[in-house]
Amino acid sequence: GAGVSQSPRYKVAKRGQDVALRCDPISGHVSLFWYQQALGQGPEFLTYFQNEAQLDKSGLPSDRFFAERPEGSVSTLKIQRTQQEDSAVYLCASSKFPQGASNQPQHFGDGTRLSIL
Amino acid sequence: EDQVTQSPEALRLQEGESSSLNCSYTVSGLRGLFWYRQDPGKGPEFLFTLYSAGEEKEKERLKATLTKKESFLHITAPKPEDSATYLCAVQGLRDKLIFGTGTRLQVFP
Repeated sequence: GAGVSQSPRYKVAKRGQDVALRCDPISGHVSLFWYQQALGQGPEFLTYFQNEAQLDKSGLPSDRFFAERPEGSVSTLKIQRTQQEDSAVYLCASSKFPQGASNQPQHFGDGTRLSIL
Repeated sequence: EDQVTQSPEALRLQEGESSSLNCSYTVSGLRGLFWYRQDPGKGPEFLFTLYSAGEEKEKERLKATLTKKESFLHITAPKPEDSATYLCAVQGLRDKLIFGTGTRLQVFP
């Protein structure tokens, strides 16, 4: 597609349930990023993939958060045993080249709004 | 620690009333400073990248400038459709983007 696509757009889950959020990056983009955006805040970095390799997961808040990109295209962010503080918008972004190789801008999807009850 | 501070938090302008948004930053080895626009319920939309002090970029009514410590987004004769949250982000030696909390701009007709 023309842009980064994320699904679902909205997800409501009960505390303790597991959720999976999907990101379809721009075709051919090597780099993929996940961010968490709380209400009224800027996006905060979670993790970075270069193709299928997860090169940086320093922003993942706990071991309940897990991300994968097995074939170097679509990525899934999984949150296990969800808690109320996980409620936020989860944004995915992609860029054409590997980080460090250039300063290509990151292009964002519209996010998944996750609400934990 | 890499850090970005944006001001003001919110700005209300009359249509045609020019103004500037500020982004102050501290970063170890600036690789790029990015401006994004974010509409409610949408992801950030890329506007500009600035790489070095003294650089300027323009797009329609927007002009971004960069010094060693801060960046400004100048809005000339804004229109209601310019209403959005404007986000500033820096990329340092660690490559990840560090975002500010944004400036929420409202332009009234």
